[in-house]
Amino acid sequence: GAVVSQHPSWVICKSGTSVKIECRSLDFQATTMFWYRQFPKQSLMLMATSNEGSKATYEQGVEKDKFLINHASLTLSTLTVTSAHPEDSSFYICSAGRLGYEQYFGPGTRLTVT
Amino acid sequence: QKEVEQDPGPLSVPEGAIVSLNCTYSNSAFQYFMWYRQYSRKGPELLMYTYSSGNKEDGRFTAQVDKSSKYISLFIRDSQPSDSATYLCAMSEGNTGNQFYFGTGTSLTVIP
Repeated sequence: GAVVSQHPSWVICKSGTSVKIECRSLDFQATTMFWYRQFPKQSLMLMATSNEGSKATYEQGVEKDKFLINHASLTLSTLTVTSAHPEDSSFYICSAGRLGYEQYFGPGTRLTVT
Repeated sequence: QKEVEQDPGPLSVPEGAIVSLNCTYSNSAFQYFMWYRQYSRKGPELLMYTYSSGNKEDGRFTAQVDKSSKYISLFIRDSQPSDSATYLCAMSEGNTGNQFYFGTGTSLTVIP
């Protein structure tokens, strides 16, 4: 149990376009979902926390107009990178929270902006 | 000072060795302590979690938490090449929706 999927696993887009990444909890309901960004050989950087039906809470320094998060249901959250630029290229990982100590991660999405 | 400190390594050991991975932290409100394993270009996988102080064992893995010293450890016995990965410690105050605080991760290579 406790499986989280992410789609797509890898996406290449041109500078200026927008990209949507989906995160789904497949076998449990997640009241809270988290979005992280990870650069090579670095740890996870929390971008935002989203609760179903309410606006996401963004970490300091994360542009909420650039990284749009929608937590539409207890099993689905989406991250849209708007007007992507090469510096947005990164590994994006979502996680779904169940109990306070449980966070299950998706497999990640590698975004390359050319 | 970072909330969680972890030696990034890299750590290289021969197959069969005992591996010790450690993290220190500064926030005494942390109640839950997790270890994740992350293979290259994959999402982190939960290995173990411990509540408050004490030890927890699961197969070849043992997690220890010493809240008085604000120090946690993960021991891997009889290490295998398949254990080669990055190990991340994470901590939480424990309430639903609470943020996790991660260490930078320790890169481990087990040499056959």
